[in-house]
Amino acid sequence: EIVLTQSPGTLSLSPGERATLSCRASQSVSSNYLVWYQQKPGQAPRLLIYGASSRATGIPDRFSGSGSGTDFTLTISRVEPEDFAVYYCQQYSSSPRTFGQGTKVEIK
Amino acid sequence: EVQLVQSGPEVKKPGESLKISCKGSGYSFTTYWIAWVRQMPGKGLEWMGIIYPGDSDIRYSPSFQGQVTISADKSISTAYLQWSSLKASDTAMYYCARHFNLDYWGQGTLVTVSS
Repeated sequence: EIVLTQSPGTLSLSPGERATLSCRASQSVSSNYLVWYQQKPGQAPRLLIYGASSRATGIPDRFSGSGSGTDFTLTISRVEPEDFAVYYCQQYSSSPRTFGQGTKVEIK
Repeated sequence: EVQLVQSGPEVKKPGESLKISCKGSGYSFTTYWIAWVRQMPGKGLEWMGIIYPGDSDIRYSPSFQGQVTISADKSISTAYLQWSSLKASDTAMYYCARHFNLDYWGQGTLVTVSS
């Protein structure tokens, strides 16, 4: 089973600042089958990034994904008030599919 | 418009059985996998398993194998998650989501198990 470790656990930022979220895999994630989701309180998660770096439909370009192999990053170039949420990475390179434990982006 | 609509909240007692549903619309239901994801109160997301409605091929996470049953009825574009004997620790929000990259999600079904 591939274990995904996200860091930091919580990121405290002011609107307009840059957010950098990390997702590290215990084994290589092949073909970059790595995705990022955003979840706001009381809502279902929403797909942000697939294939490690492709934005899902309707996702603003301030969100970007990068990385390969075992190290992946989600970057929010300038955090907007609506971006304060929990972010999860997930791999679908091998079974069982696994999620990271999440990074909470909170208002500083 | 792609939609996954889940059944409503459930309150059950330990030992009872339960089957919750997820109805897909706006796309070809038989050609996309449907996954089930658990979120316990205040916790993160856990991948439970996935089914291909076209031929009912099912893959379970080892953590959930034997604990739940995933199925689908392609004639009514609906996937199911069921328990034969609920435990208090099954209390959680359960989401269905489409395909490997979970591009569309249901609204979630809250299952509460309490005596």
